[in-house]
Amino acid sequence: NAGVTQTPKFQVLKTGQSMTLQCAQDMNHNSMYWYRQDPGMGLRLIYYSASEGTTDKGEVPNGYNVSRLNKREFSLRLESAAPSQTSVYFCASSEGQGFLDTQYFGPGTRLTVL
Amino acid sequence: AQSVTQPDIHITVSEGASLELRCNYSYGATPYLFWYVQSPGQGLQLLLKYFSGDTLVQGIKGFEAEFKRSQSSFNLRKPSVHWSDAAEYFCAVGAVSNFGNEKLTFGTGTRLTIIP
Repeated sequence: NAGVTQTPKFQVLKTGQSMTLQCAQDMNHNSMYWYRQDPGMGLRLIYYSASEGTTDKGEVPNGYNVSRLNKREFSLRLESAAPSQTSVYFCASSEGQGFLDTQYFGPGTRLTVL
Repeated sequence: AQSVTQPDIHITVSEGASLELRCNYSYGATPYLFWYVQSPGQGLQLLLKYFSGDTLVQGIKGFEAEFKRSQSSFNLRKPSVHWSDAAEYFCAVGAVSNFGNEKLTFGTGTRLTIIP
């Protein structure tokens, strides 16, 4: 049982380049989330999807887009990467449709933007 | 708006010693409280959560936490730590607004180092 998987694990981009972070879960969960983790700031929610076909902005959505491709997959796209987007990105999922449900996290993607 | 503070950035404890990690929250109503653990190179894993009822909550891996409304605290404890407990620990507070919208806010984390 893989749980939540994320690809890639590491990525280095130049300013202005684009990329998509992939996330998949095999737990048949309804909700999926993207967070970023920065030193001294905890986790901050970028976007979330309460169910297949819906997405909503979180606390820090600027510079990002998301796609809930199907119930399993939730991707995060950086259209024009900036150094301020250097961070560790975590995908998570939960069975229910609320933030208060237990969230299961992937191992993270460490992104560096030069 | 709710907020959560973890006053200790880094704590070092000897293996076998007891542990207490502090968490203070700010929220006008009864909060929903969580502790998550992040082992090196891994994602976060839920240790325990408090929604209502008994204020002493038992979690996985031998951890417990106590909700103290008068102190706005939800401290995490373990009577005897193991080397495998070395990790980063995050407290989180959840809230429901008048419009039924939920929000989860994470603290900045406490890094736990275990020495032999």
